[in-house]
Amino acid sequence: QLQLQESGSRLVKPSQTLSLTCTVSGGSFGSGGYSWTWIRQPPGKGLEWIGYIYHSGRIFYNPSLKSRVTMSMDKSKNQFSLRLSSVTAADTAVYYCARGVSMSLLTLPFDFWGQGTLVTVSS
Amino acid sequence: SSELTQVPAVSVALGQTVRITCQGDSLRDSYASWYQQQPGQAPVLVIYGENSRPSGIPDRFSGSISGNTASLTITGAQAEDEADYYCNSRNDSSANLVLFGGGTKLTVL
Repeated sequence: QLQLQESGSRLVKPSQTLSLTCTVSGGSFGSGGYSWTWIRQPPGKGLEWIGYIYHSGRIFYNPSLKSRVTMSMDKSKNQFSLRLSSVTAADTAVYYCARGVSMSLLTLPFDFWGQGTLVTVSS
Repeated sequence: SSELTQVPAVSVALGQTVRITCQGDSLRDSYASWYQQQPGQAPVLVIYGENSRPSGIPDRFSGSISGNTASLTITGAQAEDEADYYCNSRNDSSANLVLFGGGTKLTVL
Protein backbone atom coordinates (compact mmCIF):
# COMPACT_ATOMS: atom_id res chain seq x y z
CA GLN A 1 0.00 0.00 0.00
CA LEU A 2 1.41 3.35 -1.02
CA GLN A 3 2.05 5.76 1.84
CA LEU A 4 2.95 9.44 1.82
CA GLN A 5 4.29 11.30 4.84
CA GLU A 6 4.84 15.04 5.16
CA SER A 7 7.66 16.44 7.27
CA GLY A 8 9.19 19.83 7.82
CA SER A 9 8.83 23.10 9.65
CA ARG A 10 5.56 23.48 11.55
CA LEU A 11 6.07 27.09 12.61
CA VAL A 12 7.38 29.70 10.21
CA LYS A 13 7.88 33.39 10.80
CA PRO A 14 6.29 35.92 8.45
CA SER A 15 8.41 36.75 5.39
CA GLN A 16 10.43 33.56 5.79
CA THR A 17 10.32 30.38 3.70
CA LEU A 18 8.16 27.35 4.41
CA SER A 19 9.83 24.03 3.62
CA LEU A 20 8.15 20.64 3.51
CA THR A 21 9.16 17.21 2.27
CA CYS A 22 6.96 14.28 1.33
CA THR A 23 8.39 10.80 1.64
CA VAL A 24 6.77 8.12 -0.51
CA SER A 25 6.91 4.47 0.48
CA GLY A 26 5.27 1.31 -0.76
CA GLY A 27 6.00 1.67 -4.45
CA SER A 28 5.35 3.66 -7.66
CA PHE A 29 7.55 6.71 -7.00
CA GLY A 30 9.92 5.56 -9.73
CA SER A 31 7.10 4.99 -12.21
CA GLY A 32 5.81 7.38 -14.82
CA GLY A 33 2.20 8.43 -15.11
CA TYR A 34 1.92 10.09 -11.71
CA SER A 35 1.99 13.70 -10.62
CA TRP A 36 3.42 14.24 -7.15
CA THR A 37 1.31 17.00 -5.72
CA TRP A 38 1.02 19.54 -2.92
CA ILE A 39 -2.41 20.70 -1.76
CA ARG A 40 -3.22 22.91 1.20
CA GLN A 41 -6.25 23.68 3.34
CA PRO A 42 -6.47 26.77 5.55
CA PRO A 43 -8.27 26.11 8.85
CA GLY A 44 -12.00 25.82 8.26
CA LYS A 45 -11.66 26.37 4.51
CA GLY A 46 -11.48 24.38 1.30
CA LEU A 47 -8.71 22.68 -0.62
CA GLU A 48 -6.24 24.62 -2.75
CA TRP A 49 -3.95 23.01 -5.31
CA ILE A 50 -0.37 24.30 -5.01
CA GLY A 51 1.41 22.39 -7.75
CA TYR A 52 2.80 19.08 -8.89
CA ILE A 53 5.94 17.54 -10.28
CA TYR A 54 6.20 14.64 -12.68
CA HIS A 55 8.86 11.97 -12.46
CA SER A 56 10.28 13.50 -15.63
CA GLY A 57 10.89 16.69 -13.69
CA ARG A 58 8.19 18.76 -15.38
CA ILE A 59 6.54 21.04 -12.86
CA PHE A 60 3.24 22.95 -12.86
CA TYR A 61 2.25 25.52 -10.26
CA ASN A 62 -0.97 27.25 -9.29
CA PRO A 63 -0.71 30.62 -11.05
CA SER A 64 -1.78 32.41 -7.86
CA LEU A 65 1.25 31.02 -5.99
CA LYS A 66 3.73 30.59 -8.82
CA SER A 67 5.94 33.53 -7.91
CA ARG A 68 6.62 32.10 -4.43
CA VAL A 69 6.63 28.32 -4.97
CA THR A 70 9.44 25.94 -5.76
CA MET A 71 9.02 22.19 -5.98
CA SER A 72 11.74 19.58 -6.41
CA MET A 73 12.25 15.85 -6.33
CA ASP A 74 14.92 13.51 -4.95
CA LYS A 75 14.41 10.17 -6.66
CA SER A 76 17.15 8.48 -4.65
CA LYS A 77 15.23 9.16 -1.44
CA ASN A 78 11.70 8.73 -2.85
CA GLN A 79 10.95 12.29 -1.80
CA PHE A 80 9.55 15.46 -3.25
CA SER A 81 9.62 18.86 -1.65
CA LEU A 82 7.86 22.20 -1.40
CA ARG A 83 9.29 25.61 -0.66
CA LEU A 84 7.00 28.62 -0.28
CA SER A 85 8.73 31.95 0.17
CA SER A 86 7.66 35.25 1.73
CA VAL A 87 4.95 33.62 3.80
CA THR A 88 2.21 35.51 5.60
CA ALA A 89 -0.53 34.48 8.00
CA ALA A 90 -2.67 33.66 4.94
CA ASP A 91 -0.32 30.73 4.27
CA THR A 92 -1.27 29.07 7.56
CA ALA A 93 -2.83 25.78 6.52
CA VAL A 94 -2.71 22.02 6.63
CA TYR A 95 -0.39 21.01 3.82
CA TYR A 96 -1.01 17.67 2.12
CA CYS A 97 1.11 15.77 -0.33
CA ALA A 98 -0.76 13.48 -2.69
CA ARG A 99 -0.35 11.30 -5.75
CA GLY A 100 -2.17 12.34 -8.89
CA VAL A 101 -2.94 9.69 -11.48
CA SER A 102 -2.32 11.20 -14.89
CA MET A 103 -4.74 8.90 -16.68
CA SER A 104 -5.52 11.35 -19.45
CA LEU A 105 -6.07 15.01 -20.13
CA LEU A 106 -9.70 14.42 -19.16
CA THR A 107 -9.05 13.77 -15.50
CA LEU A 108 -6.48 13.95 -12.71
CA PRO A 109 -7.67 12.21 -9.55
CA PHE A 110 -5.61 12.20 -6.37
CA ASP A 111 -5.77 8.66 -5.07
CA PHE A 112 -3.29 8.62 -2.19
CA TRP A 113 -2.80 11.41 0.34
CA GLY A 114 -0.50 12.05 3.26
CA GLN A 115 -2.08 12.68 6.65
CA GLY A 116 -1.31 16.39 6.34
CA THR A 117 0.77 18.70 8.47
CA LEU A 118 -0.36 21.99 9.97
CA VAL A 119 2.01 24.82 9.23
CA THR A 120 1.46 28.01 11.18
CA VAL A 121 2.87 31.34 10.11
CA SER A 122 3.42 33.47 13.17
CA SER A 123 6.09 35.59 14.77
CA SER B 1 -14.31 30.93 -16.07
CA SER B 2 -11.72 28.74 -14.35
CA GLU B 3 -13.50 27.77 -11.18
CA LEU B 4 -15.70 25.04 -9.75
CA THR B 5 -18.80 25.95 -7.77
CA GLN B 6 -20.37 23.81 -5.08
CA VAL B 7 -23.35 24.47 -2.84
CA PRO B 8 -21.95 25.02 0.68
CA ALA B 9 -24.31 22.69 2.50
CA VAL B 10 -26.76 19.89 1.80
CA SER B 11 -28.76 17.65 4.10
CA VAL B 12 -30.35 14.24 3.61
CA ALA B 13 -32.48 11.96 5.73
CA LEU B 14 -30.88 8.68 6.74
CA GLY B 15 -31.38 6.09 4.01
CA GLN B 16 -32.45 8.59 1.39
CA THR B 17 -30.68 9.67 -1.79
CA VAL B 18 -28.72 12.89 -2.10
CA ARG B 19 -27.02 14.59 -5.02
CA ILE B 20 -24.09 16.96 -4.57
CA THR B 21 -23.27 19.11 -7.57
CA CYS B 22 -20.18 20.79 -8.95
CA GLN B 23 -20.48 23.35 -11.71
CA GLY B 24 -17.83 24.81 -13.98
CA ASP B 25 -16.82 25.35 -17.60
CA SER B 26 -13.90 22.93 -17.21
CA LEU B 27 -16.39 20.09 -16.79
CA ARG B 28 -17.46 20.42 -20.41
CA ASP B 29 -14.09 18.93 -21.40
CA SER B 30 -13.02 16.90 -18.38
CA TYR B 31 -14.34 14.64 -15.67
CA ALA B 32 -14.72 15.57 -12.02
CA SER B 33 -13.15 13.60 -9.22
CA TRP B 34 -14.86 13.57 -5.84
CA TYR B 35 -13.37 13.42 -2.36
CA GLN B 36 -14.85 12.78 1.06
CA GLN B 37 -13.21 14.50 4.02
CA GLN B 38 -14.07 13.60 7.58
CA PRO B 39 -13.18 16.11 10.32
CA GLY B 40 -9.47 16.15 11.06
CA GLN B 41 -8.63 13.69 8.30
CA ALA B 42 -7.16 13.80 4.83
CA PRO B 43 -9.54 13.69 1.88
CA VAL B 44 -10.37 10.30 0.39
CA LEU B 45 -11.04 9.77 -3.31
CA VAL B 46 -14.54 8.31 -3.80
CA ILE B 47 -15.28 8.84 -7.52
CA TYR B 48 -13.06 9.48 -10.55
CA GLY B 49 -13.31 9.36 -14.31
CA GLU B 50 -16.65 8.78 -15.93
CA ASN B 51 -17.98 6.93 -12.86
CA SER B 52 -15.30 4.81 -11.23
CA ARG B 53 -14.84 3.97 -7.57
CA PRO B 54 -11.51 3.15 -5.94
CA SER B 55 -11.29 -0.14 -4.13
CA GLY B 56 -13.12 -0.07 -0.82
CA ILE B 57 -15.58 2.70 -1.69
CA PRO B 58 -19.19 1.53 -1.27
CA ASP B 59 -21.31 1.26 -4.41
CA ARG B 60 -23.86 3.68 -2.98
CA PHE B 61 -21.49 6.38 -4.28
CA SER B 62 -21.82 7.20 -7.97
CA GLY B 63 -20.90 10.02 -10.31
CA SER B 64 -22.36 11.58 -13.41
CA ILE B 65 -21.93 14.61 -15.62
CA SER B 66 -24.22 16.70 -17.78
CA GLY B 67 -23.02 19.75 -19.62
CA ASN B 68 -20.97 21.81 -17.18
CA THR B 69 -22.30 20.11 -14.05
CA ALA B 70 -20.91 17.04 -12.35
CA SER B 71 -22.86 15.25 -9.66
CA LEU B 72 -22.00 12.92 -6.83
CA THR B 73 -24.96 10.80 -5.81
CA ILE B 74 -25.21 8.85 -2.58
CA THR B 75 -28.01 6.31 -2.78
CA GLY B 76 -29.16 5.31 0.70
CA ALA B 77 -27.08 7.75 2.74
CA GLN B 78 -25.57 6.40 5.94
CA ALA B 79 -24.62 8.24 9.09
CA GLU B 80 -20.94 7.76 8.27
CA ASP B 81 -21.41 9.64 5.00
CA GLU B 82 -21.75 12.90 6.92
CA ALA B 83 -18.65 14.78 5.81
CA ASP B 84 -17.31 17.48 3.53
CA TYR B 85 -17.22 16.65 -0.16
CA TYR B 86 -14.95 18.29 -2.72
CA CYS B 87 -14.83 18.05 -6.48
CA ASN B 88 -11.81 18.68 -8.66
CA SER B 89 -10.99 18.71 -12.33
CA ARG B 90 -8.36 19.84 -14.75
CA ASN B 91 -8.50 23.51 -15.63
CA ASP B 92 -10.25 24.30 -18.91
CA SER B 93 -7.78 27.04 -19.83
CA SER B 94 -4.79 24.75 -19.24
CA ALA B 95 -5.19 21.02 -18.72
CA ASN B 96 -1.98 20.95 -16.70
CA LEU B 97 -3.54 23.07 -13.98
CA VAL B 98 -5.95 21.82 -11.33
CA LEU B 99 -9.15 23.21 -9.85
CA PHE B 100 -10.96 22.36 -6.63
CA GLY B 101 -14.51 23.23 -5.74
CA GLY B 102 -15.22 25.06 -2.51
CA GLY B 103 -16.70 21.98 -0.84
CA THR B 104 -20.14 20.86 0.31
CA LYS B 105 -20.94 19.97 3.91
CA LEU B 106 -23.29 16.98 3.92
CA THR B 107 -25.46 16.48 6.98
CA VAL B 108 -27.27 13.17 7.45
CA LEU B 109 -30.41 13.71 9.51
